[in-house]
Amino acid sequence: KAGVTQTPRYLIKTRGQQVTLSCSPISGHRSVSWYQQTPGQGLQFLFEYFSETQRNKGNFPGRFSGRQFSNSRSEMNVSTLELGDSALYLCASSAGTWETEAFFGQGTRLTVV
Amino acid sequence: AQKITQTQPGMFVQEKEAVTLDCTYDTSDQSYGLFWYKQPSSGEMIFLIYQGSYDEQNATEGRYSLNFQKARKSANLVISASQLGDSAMYFCAMREGYSGGSNYKLTFGKGTLLTVNP
Repeated sequence: KAGVTQTPRYLIKTRGQQVTLSCSPISGHRSVSWYQQTPGQGLQFLFEYFSETQRNKGNFPGRFSGRQFSNSRSEMNVSTLELGDSALYLCASSAGTWETEAFFGQGTRLTVV
Repeated sequence: AQKITQTQPGMFVQEKEAVTLDCTYDTSDQSYGLFWYKQPSSGEMIFLIYQGSYDEQNATEGRYSLNFQKARKSANLVISASQLGDSAMYFCAMREGYSGGSNYKLTFGKGTLLTVNP
């Protein structure tokens, strides 16, 4: 059974640009969550999608957006990149209820210069 | 108030010894899940073990066990027979069941950096 796949693994972008990250969950999982990890703030929840609907959103500006497709694959978009957006972005795949396990991908390391 | 507290920023253990990583949590929900993840320097977040709030027995997965003390709101990770490859950051996390829309997110602690010495 394939795990959670995130692409690309590494990205370098310039301030002001936009970026799209992709996450393919484990087959059969309908929930995809996104997290930002930085040395200063730790792991912070961005948003969660279940069956193409955003169910929950963290405290991030509107520059951060996402979507989920009918095959459960999810994309996260960050527009007008800032230096502070440099982070490891992780996505988690789960069946979608509180009692189920959540598995992470390898992450996308974004560097904004 | 922090929902997940990991009081040990760093821990050292000798190879082949057991080690306990502490985690306390704060929730008013009756339904919640507790997770432990390992994050090596490569960055991948590796799932280790899960404990549901209604599970009466402590979860075990190979060399990992979760010491769940519900009344104390603690969920400590025990790693038996430590190996050099266990050196990594370890995160405790919680997902609440019905807490006002936050029930689909994981809340993480700040992590404990474990170093296994040969």
